[in-house]
Amino acid sequence: DQQVKQNSPSLSVQEGRISILNCDYTNSMFDYFLWYKKYPAEGPTFLISISSIKDKNEDGRFTVFLNKSAKHLSLHIVPSQPGDSAVYFCAATNPNTGNQFYFGTGTSLTVIP
Amino acid sequence: ETGVTQTPRHLVMGMTNKKSLKCEQHLGHNAMYWYKQSAKKPLELMFVYNFKEQTENNSVPSRFSPECPNSSHLFLHLHTLQPEDSALYLCASRQGHLNTEAFFGQGTRLTVV
Repeated sequence: DQQVKQNSPSLSVQEGRISILNCDYTNSMFDYFLWYKKYPAEGPTFLISISSIKDKNEDGRFTVFLNKSAKHLSLHIVPSQPGDSAVYFCAATNPNTGNQFYFGTGTSLTVIP
Repeated sequence: ETGVTQTPRHLVMGMTNKKSLKCEQHLGHNAMYWYKQSAKKPLELMFVYNFKEQTENNSVPSRFSPECPNSSHLFLHLHTLQPEDSALYLCASRQGHLNTEAFFGQGTRLTVV
């Protein structure tokens, strides 16, 4: 049973526009959420995170929004740049299994110059 | 460069071979992980070590055997693998029991022939 879902396997966006990547989860016990970015043949690199006590966290061009009632989070990238083209994974942790990350299947973002 | 180093980067092995994957971190983290990434699937947690003690084993077949001799090193010993075990194997580390991100290595691309 997959507890973190990314229902869009791919997304294409024009350079300069906003990219919105979505993630849904089922476990209401999750209290910390993360986004990772992955290039081919490399490991995932951490991008941004949010605690369940917040509904928004911003870092430069990247903003993560958390809607706890909907069990939904999203990553906004604005403006999108060609170098943002990668696979983006969302992940969540549960304090009851504090060391385990639950990952989604990823969304492949292509930013078109 | 995330501070987590995996060797080798690529490995081709026969089904009767024995090989080991190595992971090293000098970030002072106390939790280390092995993940498996297969095509079109979310990252699958295999093993978690917290302060050198194995705390998670997600029903991984015994042909995969982890070893954590100290908090900086993690090994994954492989023997009599199957072709379906071909995947990207990722090591990660984290300061456990805190809301912090995990740092991933570059991964080992394993091909079983």
